[in-house]
Parts: sequence; structure tokens; C-alpha cells
Amino acid sequence: DAGVTQSPTHLIKTRGQQVTLRCSPKSGHDTVSWYQQALGQGPQFIFQYYEEEERQRGNFPDRFSGHQFPNYSSELNVNALLLGDSALYLCASSLKWGEITDTQYFGPGTRLTVL
Amino acid sequence: AQKITQTQPGMFVQEKEAVTLDCTYDTSDQSYGLFWYKQPSSGEMIFLIYQGSYDEQNATEGRYSLNFQKARKSANLVISASQLGDSAMYFCAMRAINNNDMRFGAGTRLTVKP
Repeated sequence: DAGVTQSPTHLIKTRGQQVTLRCSPKSGHDTVSWYQQALGQGPQFIFQYYEEEERQRGNFPDRFSGHQFPNYSSELNVNALLLGDSALYLCASSLKWGEITDTQYFGPGTRLTVL
Repeated sequence: AQKITQTQPGMFVQEKEAVTLDCTYDTSDQSYGLFWYKQPSSGEMIFLIYQGSYDEQNATEGRYSLNFQKARKSANLVISASQLGDSAMYFCAMRAINNNDMRFGAGTRLTVKP
């Protein structure tokens, strides 16, 4: 049973560029959430997708956008990259959208470095 | 607004001993869930244990147990019989009803000494 997978593992970009990160959820899961984790901090919620719609969004600018596909996989896009966007980007999947008990299972993350 | 506080940036424990990692939370919601995750140096967040606000008993999962004190708004993680492989960052997180935004604390780095 495959867990959550993310690609690429590492990415180096320069300021102003655009980046796309990809996530495949755990088998049977239909909800995908994205988090940004800066060095030495806890993860910060970016947004969550369910039934191909963005259901909730954290305090992130519109430069951060996403998409969920019919097979439940998801992409995170970041435009006009800033140095401060350098972080570990974590994808999490779950299967009880909207429920308190909904446990999120995380992927290994994508390490983004912006130069 | 929801807030999670982990006041211990780092903790040390001797192998085979028990350790408690502190977590306090703040919310005005009556229904919420509390989660603990482990993050090894590899980066992947590993789910450890869940406690619901209406659960009357403390949650347990193997060597992990959650000391839930609702009135004090605390949800401390207890790891029994520590192992070297337990060395990692540990994060407390919370989600309230009608809010899928999971809030994480700043984490505690646990080091298990042989």
C-alpha cells in the first residue's frame, strides 16, 4: 500500500521564477492538503483540496495556487518566487474531509530553495 | 483563533526511560481534535496518536500515550521505554470543528541518549 508520494524531492529556483510541486495521495484518500515548513518551524497550512475544489485556505498570497485532479493527485504552484519561499513543502492526504477525526498522512516533502 | 504552544525546544532522555513532551492549546471551539506527529531528520511527518475533545479516556498507541487534561487545555505526549530511533522532532497539532486548517506547534526536538 503506497503512502503519500511527492515530486521532486529537491528543487532549486531563482527569484521571480515559477514552480510546480506534485503530490499523489495515499491509496483510498480523496483529500489533499499542502503545508509550508520553514527551517526550525512547524508546518503552516497553505490550502486543502477535496472533490477538485479548494475547500480552505491559509494565510498565503495568491501567488500560491493549486489544483486537484480526478484521480485525487494534486499540484501546488508558486509564482514570482521570493527568497522567503525557500522551505520544505509537505503534502498530506486523508479520507474524512470535514471530520474532526480526519487524520492526515504526510509525504516526504519537496525541499525548495530559492536563490 | 486556534493556537498550539510547545514550550520545550529540546529534550533529552536516557534510553529505556519514559519522557513527556508538553503541548498546550487555545481554542474557543468545544469540538476539536489533537494530533501528535514525529518528524525524523528525513523530513516526513509520521502520525503517532489522536485525541478527540469528547473522548473520555486518554488515547494510547503502543509506547505512545496522550495525557489529555481538557480543563487545563493540555495534551502532553508520553513516550515509554524510549528507543534511540525515537530521536526526532515532535509536533503537536490541532483541528477544530468546521475548520480543516490544522495548526501545528513549533515542535520539540527529542534526543535519546544510549
